[in-house]
Amino acid sequence: NAGVMQNPRHLVRRRGQEARLRCSPMKGHSHVYWYRQLPEEGLKFMVYLQKENIIDESGMPKERFSAEFPKEGPSILRIQQVVRGDSAAYFCASSPLGRREGPRSGNTIYFGEGSWLTVV
Amino acid sequence: GEDVEQSLFLSVREGDSSVINCTYTDSSSTYLYWYKQEPGAGLQLLTYIFSNMDMKQDQRLTVLLNKKDKHLSLRIADTQTGDSAIYFCAGAQQTGANNLFFGTGTRLTVIP
Repeated sequence: NAGVMQNPRHLVRRRGQEARLRCSPMKGHSHVYWYRQLPEEGLKFMVYLQKENIIDESGMPKERFSAEFPKEGPSILRIQQVVRGDSAAYFCASSPLGRREGPRSGNTIYFGEGSWLTVV
Repeated sequence: GEDVEQSLFLSVREGDSSVINCTYTDSSSTYLYWYKQEPGAGLQLLTYIFSNMDMKQDQRLTVLLNKKDKHLSLRIADTQTGDSAIYFCAGAQQTGANNLFFGTGTRLTVIP
């Protein structure tokens, strides 16, 4: 059972270009989360999605950032017109049940290995 | 949202015990987690504790929770060089056990 798969692992973009980060959740998981880790900081929540639905995007910047989790295929985090401040590690996580349930309900959240975005 | 604070650095000698501390602000946190991040890698869940517990032990790891002081600690017994990593404390809110708030991480360096 493969874990949470993210690609690309490393991405370099010039200012103004678009970045697309992909995340395939663990098999059987239909809940996906994106987190961002800025240099020397902890992870910050960005968005929580279920298949075809954005449930909570309270951590997403208002502009240039979007996320989707289509019925078929991976979840995509899209950053348009990237700027230097977007340089960070972007982590995807997935869980089998909704966000309300925790490990005692068998709902452990698993993280991918991250996608490191560098904007030059 | 919740604030979670940790000290940034900790150095210990191989074979000693490491204690990594964390304080949090949201008293309604249902779960508290410890994650390990090795260089260039993702987060690995080490252990978690439910809020009605005071202590949890799992092999070399011991988690202590003081709800009154909102203080969480992770003790690693017989620390090995392979334990060198960044350790993140994370809290989860009542509204979502997987709605995680992370600390800034403690970089543990194990000296041979």
